[in-house]
Amino acid sequence: DSGVTQTPKHLITATGQRVTLRCSPRSGDLSVYWYQQSLDQGLQFLIQYYNGEERAKGNILERFSAQQFPDLHSELNLSSLELGDSALYFCASSVASDFSYEQYFGPGTRLTVT
Amino acid sequence: GESVGLHLPTLSVQEGDNSIINCAYSNSASDYFIWYKQESGKGPQFIIDIRSNMDKRQGQRVTVLLNKTVKHLSLQIAATQPGDSAVYFCATTRTGGNQFYFGTGTSLTVIP
Repeated sequence: DSGVTQTPKHLITATGQRVTLRCSPRSGDLSVYWYQQSLDQGLQFLIQYYNGEERAKGNILERFSAQQFPDLHSELNLSSLELGDSALYFCASSVASDFSYEQYFGPGTRLTVT
Repeated sequence: GESVGLHLPTLSVQEGDNSIINCAYSNSASDYFIWYKQESGKGPQFIIDIRSNMDKRQGQRVTVLLNKTVKHLSLQIAATQPGDSAVYFCATTRTGGNQFYFGTGTSLTVIP
């Protein structure tokens, strides 16, 4: 158990809908990272927040957004969902703001768009 | 950018044998490397990391070797056990960088 929690575990929704994924980092970790893992793309970095502020952006679509709250939990919002958004979404946390430190991953949310 | 590739998508080994999983990266500025293990239905689990000022680092039953000259790193698992069956992938970044680049993964199957 990494200490990172994610909810929900599974999500099934229809195209065009909007969903929110939630992540709580390990105690003491200030950075939260969001990743998308699909079968054909592997693990792709989406976005990082550090202590409430956006720190780095990866391959995140404009339809997706995220935020980190004062209690350090984070939410990833996915809107106008398309079939291709079906994937595993992981969040990870680390103590540092820099990428060059160990990241601990949560169990993931499996999103299915029908 | 950076491309990270693993040499073999699948690897089968006998229980008790040693396993070697290889990874190549393209960016010579990369200076931090991590190996992750991902079991079916679970999130990636940190195994071991290495910084570019080292060539070798050992953990419990695992060793990571880094060859900066040819931009290659490998993960060696000693006395492979059935519980080691999983997908393994490497990730690279550079200090101060704003991205983690992941390889596509090698699926390790341990044959009892």
